[in-house]
Amino acid sequence: DAGITQSPRHKVTETGTPVTLRCHQTENHRYMYWYRQDPGHGLRLIHYSYGVKDTDKGEVSDGYSVSRSKTEDFLLTLESATSSQTSVYFCAISGAVSTDTQYFGPGTRLTVL
Amino acid sequence: AQSVTQLDSQVPVFEEAPVELRCNYSSSVSVYLFWYVQYPNQGLQLLLKYLSGSTLVKGINGFEAEFNKSQTSFHLRKPSVHISDTAEYFCAVSASNTGFQKLVFGTGTRLLVSP
Repeated sequence: DAGITQSPRHKVTETGTPVTLRCHQTENHRYMYWYRQDPGHGLRLIHYSYGVKDTDKGEVSDGYSVSRSKTEDFLLTLESATSSQTSVYFCAISGAVSTDTQYFGPGTRLTVL
Repeated sequence: AQSVTQLDSQVPVFEEAPVELRCNYSSSVSVYLFWYVQYPNQGLQLLLKYLSGSTLVKGINGFEAEFNKSQTSFHLRKPSVHISDTAEYFCAVSASNTGFQKLVFGTGTRLLVSP
C-alpha cells in the first residue's frame, strides 16, 4: 500500500463547527487530492494540490478550503460544517505525470449533525 | 469536460460465473481510462488502466477490460468470479491533454458474488 494516512478516521460534529481533516503521505508525490464519496455520486474532486502552497479547485469546492505547507501534508477544512457535508472523504496522491497512478488513502467518515 | 456512465448500480452473480461491468464515457478529447475497486470500508485500489496501445488491458486479480473508441466504452470482464470479488467497482476517465491526472468517476457498480 502507498504510504497514505488520513486522520481522523471517523468524526461526528455539530452543524456550524469548523472541521479539519488531514492527509499525510510518505511517498514524496507531487500531487495530492481530496475527494468526497456519496451514494449515487461516486467520487467527486473537491480540491487538489500540485505542490507546496499550490492548490486549485475541483468539481465540488464550495464550503471547503485546503492548505499544503509541506510536501507530505494536505489539509481539508470545512469552515462551518453543514449536514450536506456528511460524507466519506478520501485523500489521493500521484506523481507529476498524467499517466501516473493515483493512490488512495483509507478515508475519513464525517457525520455532521 | 469528461463524464462516465456506469449503467448497472448492482450486478449479482454466482461464484465461478463470468461477469461484465459496463462503462461508457464521454469526452471531446483523447482520454485515459481506469477501473478501481473498493472493498468494504477501504480506499480505492487500481485494477487496470488504458493509456494507449493495445485495446485489451489486463489487470490484477484476473480482470481485463477492452477499450472501444467507436462505442466510447471500457467494459470490465472476468471469466470466473470468486466470493472475494464482492466489492464496488468504479470506472474513471482523465483527459490525456492535461498536465496531470484529473479523474472523473462513474457512480460505481456493486458486484455481489454468491455461492
